Amino acid sequence: DGGITQSPKYLFRKEGQNVTLSCEQNLNHDAMYWYRQDPGQGLRLIYYSQIVNDFQKGDIAEGYSVSREKKESFPLTVTSAQKNPTAFYLCASSIRPLSGNQPQHFGDGTRLSIL
Amino acid sequence: SQQGEEDPQALSIQEGENATMNCSYKTSINNLQWYRQNSGRGLVHLILIRSNEREKHSGRLRVTLDTSKKSSSLLITASRAADTASYFCATSTSRGSNYKLTFGKGTLLTVNP
Repeated sequence: DGGITQSPKYLFRKEGQNVTLSCEQNLNHDAMYWYRQDPGQGLRLIYYSQIVNDFQKGDIAEGYSVSREKKESFPLTVTSAQKNPTAFYLCASSIRPLSGNQPQHFGDGTRLSIL
Repeated sequence: SQQGEEDPQALSIQEGENATMNCSYKTSINNLQWYRQNSGRGLVHLILIRSNEREKHSGRLRVTLDTSKKSSSLLITASRAADTASYFCATSTSRGSNYKLTFGKGTLLTVNP
C-alpha cells in the first residue's frame, strides 16, 4: 500500500542536541511538506519541497533544517536553536508542487519532547 | 489570526444526529479543503471544494461554500461513534505562482454511542 511513513513515533531531545525526524513516501509525489502542530492549534508550515534538491522556508523555519536528496525522502532536523521544540510533527506530500487543487496526504506524525 | 477559523471549537452529539461545523476565512481562495484527524494520528483528506463550486457531497459528508460570506460548512449526517475526531478546514490561496495551504485550529467532534 502506498503512503507516508514517519519515524520514530516518539522522540526525546536533550538540551543542546540536534534530532532528525524521518519522512518517507512511496506515492511518487513531487511535493513534500513539514508541519508543526501544538495542542489545540492548527498546523503551521515549517518547510516544503517542490522537487528534489530544492526546498523553501515556510512560516516557522527558524531552528529547523531539511534536505531533499531523494524524491522519496524529506528528513527534518530540529536543531538546538529551536528553543521550544516540543510538538507533534507531521509530514505530508502532494502530487504536484503546491498546485493549489491537490489534496495533501499525511503521515502519522512524530511526537517530540524535551528531556 | 488564522486564515481559516472553525466554529464551534468543540461539538458533542449523540449517535445518529447530524453534525455541522463551520469555517470562516478572510481572503480570496482557490479552494477550501476539509481534513479529519483522529487523536494522535495524521490528517486525512475528506473533500475539496473549488472557489467556483457551491456544494459538494461525498457519502455522508456535505460541504457548502459561500464565497460572498467567506465561509464554508461541513455537514456529517447520521453520525457514528467512529466519526469522533478533530475536523480542520484548510484554505488554498495563491500569490503569483506560489500557493499556500493554511489550516484552521479545528473542531473537536465527539459522537456519543
